[in-house]
Parts: sequence; structure tokens; C-alpha cells
Amino acid sequence: LAKTTQPISMDSYEGQEVNITCSHNNIATNDYITWYQQFPSQGPRFIIQGYKTKVTNEVASLFIPADRKSSTLSLPRVSLSDTAVYYCLVGSSPLYGQNFVFGPGTRLSVLP
Amino acid sequence: NAGVTQTPKFQVLKTGQSMTLQCAQDMNHNSMYWYRQDPGMGLRLIYYSASEGTTDKGEVPNGYNVSRLNKREFSLRLESAAPSQTSVYFCASSSSGNTDTQYFGPGTRLTVL
Repeated sequence: LAKTTQPISMDSYEGQEVNITCSHNNIATNDYITWYQQFPSQGPRFIIQGYKTKVTNEVASLFIPADRKSSTLSLPRVSLSDTAVYYCLVGSSPLYGQNFVFGPGTRLSVLP
Repeated sequence: NAGVTQTPKFQVLKTGQSMTLQCAQDMNHNSMYWYRQDPGMGLRLIYYSASEGTTDKGEVPNGYNVSRLNKREFSLRLESAAPSQTSVYFCASSSSGNTDTQYFGPGTRLTVL
């Protein structure tokens, strides 16, 4: 099970692009990288998932370099509503879900 | 399509009391999970059920029991509540496909006095 390291907290201002980097030096060949977002008093919500290179959806982009030892979640033009905790997880099927380990995550604060 | 639902939303127990947290999903998912989240911490896996009829321990199973009642429902029971079990409990489900994205319920906030 790959261990992940990410910053404990980050501050940003409305309208800025935010990049949160996660390190996972011992990622295995079959591992996927998944990011979740959690608002206060709510359960985590899936944001994006990728295996290599770049993945983009309507919410965020995920950049994964060729060595896959890190990944960067990019949130374009953040707003106050993006204030949340962001978790980076690494794992592989078929027991991916069972191997989930949520660390403390990165607490993003978006300021006006 | 309600997703993952949990009952109750809030509960206060006295030490030694028992209770069951209920979870149901309507997404036809095979796998279901119970997590706890203490203040300022990440989620820790208590138990999971990879498929109907199976359950396995997670990272912190002591003091809990689970039942996978059917494909939709997965309950968590505290037989003798302790103050250390004061936490927010989240249920989640996933399809167990290749990427296995988990969908979480709204949580149950439990206080044990």
C-alpha cells in the first residue's frame, strides 16, 4: 500500500489557480491515484482519478509525471466554496477500496 | 436515486449502552464500508464488505461489529459504547470495478458520555 504525503494546509485567494501536490514514492505498477474533497460535516466526495499523464474533468485536472512518484491536483479559479480538505489516495484493484487509507489531507482555505 | 443514506444523523449515548448505525445504498454496489473520523483527522476504516455475505476488519475494528444484511444494507453495531468511540461515522459504497470510486453517506455524529 503506497504511502502518500501532502501539505497539511494551503491558503489561496478567490480566482487563483491552486495546485496541491501529493508524493507517493512507492507507488506500484497497478496503482491508481484518486483525489477526494471533504466539506465540513459532510462525507468525502470523489473529484478525479488518474493513472498517468493528465486527466481533466469539469472540476479539476490531475497531472501525473512519467515516474508517477507524485501527482498534482489543479483547481482552476477557486472560489470560497472550494474551501475544504483534499485527500490524495493511491491503490489498485481488485482490493482498491479495501486498501483506502485517508491521511490528514490538505486543508485548503480560499480567502476573498 | 438517494445514493448512500445513513441513520441516525446524531446520537448521544451513555457509556455501556449499545446501538446500531444503519446504512443503505441504492446504486447496486457490491462493496460497502464503515469509517470513523475524529476531529481534525482523516478517515479510518473500521470494517468493510467486499460483497454480499462477506465482511472483513479494517484498521480499527475493536469495539464494533457489522452485518451485511443484503446487497443494499450494511449496519454497524456498538455493543458497549465507550467515550473513545465518540466520532463521526461514515458509510460508503463502491462498485468494486477497476477504479473502485467510493461514494459516501452524510455521516452520523455520535457522542458517548
